[in-house]
Amino acid sequence: QLQLQESGPGLVKPSETLSLTCTVSGGSVSRSGYFWGWTRQSPGKGLEWIGSVYYTGTTNYNPSLKSRVTISVDTSKNQFSLKLTSVTASETAVYYCARGIAVPGPNNDYLDYWGQGTLVTVSS
Amino acid sequence: SYEVTQPPSVSVSPGQTASITCSGDELGDKYAFWFQQKTGQSPLLVIYQHNKRPSGIPERFSGSSSGNTATLTISGTQAMDEADYYCQAWDSGSAVFGGGTKLTVL
Repeated sequence: QLQLQESGPGLVKPSETLSLTCTVSGGSVSRSGYFWGWTRQSPGKGLEWIGSVYYTGTTNYNPSLKSRVTISVDTSKNQFSLKLTSVTASETAVYYCARGIAVPGPNNDYLDYWGQGTLVTVSS
Repeated sequence: SYEVTQPPSVSVSPGQTASITCSGDELGDKYAFWFQQKTGQSPLLVIYQHNKRPSGIPERFSGSSSGNTATLTISGTQAMDEADYYCQAWDSGSAVFGGGTKLTVL
């Protein structure tokens, strides 16, 4: 059974960099046909896509966050990570990692497994 | 930027059918995906590619699409189905989520 677990600091100061890691068990981040993504949810709000990294290393980012986001894969540790620079208080949220199935053709991919999420508070 | 729109809330009586819509420009040319999120839990995929159910999702969950509107239908709604539901589509490689619909079973 695939499991994803987010980890990282629960408190980040404004203007600093938010760094999170998602550890994957029961599957391999380097296996073809999958991608690995991050989504966040501010308290009481909806879901916001951050971006993803494919098994090939190709990344896709939310255009509104693209200038500040880096998502990467560490195959040796079977993890993938998120870095978001220059954070503000409005980016306090639960951050989720997820696995996606890459399906040939446009707009066919889907997110099938999610981590439990980790709350990151941006505050001084 | 691309947007998909859902009603903020839907109410249904136990045993009845609940329908949650999701609309967006050219949504008919894309697939819609649906997630269920219960309080304090992570999202759970219930429908993918308009009308396919992942393993373990009850048959009472179904999806359809017509024109630029996708619909999640829950037949014989149960109290356990009370949750927030999000539709999602892809646009230029990015996932776009609707604002979510709170389903109340009363």
